[in-house]
Amino acid sequence: KAGVTQTPRYLIKTRGQQVTLSCSPISGHRSVSWYQQTPGQGLQFLFEYFSETQRNKGNFPGRFSGRQFSNSRSEMNVSTLELGDSALYLCASSLEGRYNQPQHFGDGTRLSIL
Amino acid sequence: AQKVTQAQTEISVVEKEDVTLDCVYETRDTTYYLFWYKQPPSGELVFLIRRNSFDEQNEISGRYSWNFQKSTSSFNFTITASQVVDSAVYFCALSEGQTGANNLFFGTGTRLTVIP
Repeated sequence: KAGVTQTPRYLIKTRGQQVTLSCSPISGHRSVSWYQQTPGQGLQFLFEYFSETQRNKGNFPGRFSGRQFSNSRSEMNVSTLELGDSALYLCASSLEGRYNQPQHFGDGTRLSIL
Repeated sequence: AQKVTQAQTEISVVEKEDVTLDCVYETRDTTYYLFWYKQPPSGELVFLIRRNSFDEQNEISGRYSWNFQKSTSSFNFTITASQVVDSAVYFCALSEGQTGANNLFFGTGTRLTVIP
């Protein structure tokens, strides 16, 4: 069974640009969550999507947005990039419908802002 | 408010030694879930275990064991006879049952280095 796939693995952008990250969950998983990992703040929850709807959201500014498609694939978008957005962005999927199921993570997208 | 504390930032042990990683949590919910994840240098977070707040039984899985004690709000993780492949950052995480949906609150992680 294929795991969670995130693309691209690495990305370099400049301040002010926008970026879109992609996540394909494990087959059969309908919940997709996004996390940001930085040395200073650690792992922080961004948002969760289930059945194409945002079900939960962390404390991040509106520049961070996401969406989920009918096939459960998800994208995360960050607009007007800032230096502080440099981070490893991790996507996780879990079984449909039920809370608190183990989340399975992808390898992440490492975003560097110049 | 929820909080997960991993007081040990870095631990180094010699191969074959036992090592315990500490995790202390705070939550107001009576229903919650605790997790341990391993993050090797490749970056992917690997799920190790989930425990709910109503199940205080300790668990052993091969060289891994977990000690959950609600009285001290701790969920400690022990690796027996450590191996070099155990070198990684280990994260303890909390998910609240009533309001948390699928968002995990992570501790700051403990970097374990196993020296051959």
